[in-house]
Amino acid sequence: SAVISQKPSRDICQRGTSLTIQCQVDSQVTMMFWYRQQPGQSLTLIATANQGSEATYESGFVIDKFPISRPNLTFSTLTVSNLSPEDSSIYLCSVERVAGREQFFGPGTRLTVL
Amino acid sequence: QKEVEQDPGPLSVPEGAIVSLNCTYSNSAFQYFMWYRQYSRKGPELLMYTYSSGNKEDGRFTAQVDKSSKYISLFIRDSQPSDSATYLCAMSFPLGQAGTALIFGKGTTLSVSS
Repeated sequence: SAVISQKPSRDICQRGTSLTIQCQVDSQVTMMFWYRQQPGQSLTLIATANQGSEATYESGFVIDKFPISRPNLTFSTLTVSNLSPEDSSIYLCSVERVAGREQFFGPGTRLTVL
Repeated sequence: QKEVEQDPGPLSVPEGAIVSLNCTYSNSAFQYFMWYRQYSRKGPELLMYTYSSGNKEDGRFTAQVDKSSKYISLFIRDSQPSDSATYLCAMSFPLGQAGTALIFGKGTTLSVSS
């Protein structure tokens, strides 16, 4: 498995501001992923973060809203920009140990936008 | 399409019962089939994954895949109160160089009473 930590664990933000979420892994990994879990909805992939290259975004998610950094093989950040109440959600990072079948998740960051 | 259908429940059973959790899907491109367990305010925890049609057993848990019917199941034998959680099915979808996306069902909330 993998030990994954996220900061902050939760936050309450004002509309129009931004929140940056950090994800730290205990060992080097090639692929890191960012997901969103909205109430009553499926966990949804936002983007894939590969070290040394631009993040790859899924349909419906754009870099201006969700900029991602991946400076090394153990760390990534996701910023949720220009916050609105619709961004209230849990954001999770994950890492892939074995391609396609072993993906492990961090504890999540619970964001509330007022 | 990438949708995965999962009955959200809630499902309530007495301790010791056999639990059956199910998901259906429509996309034949899905490669691996996973089950995650998510406790309240925690990240999803990988329980097990399967690739081919058939059964895979791990302790009290059995994962079953029927690719011809596009149907997967998770059986929990001798259920315990500690099994009370939300169970998420997930299926892997290759993204090429961007790694693998996991497509999740909405999760089934299980409550096991003692």
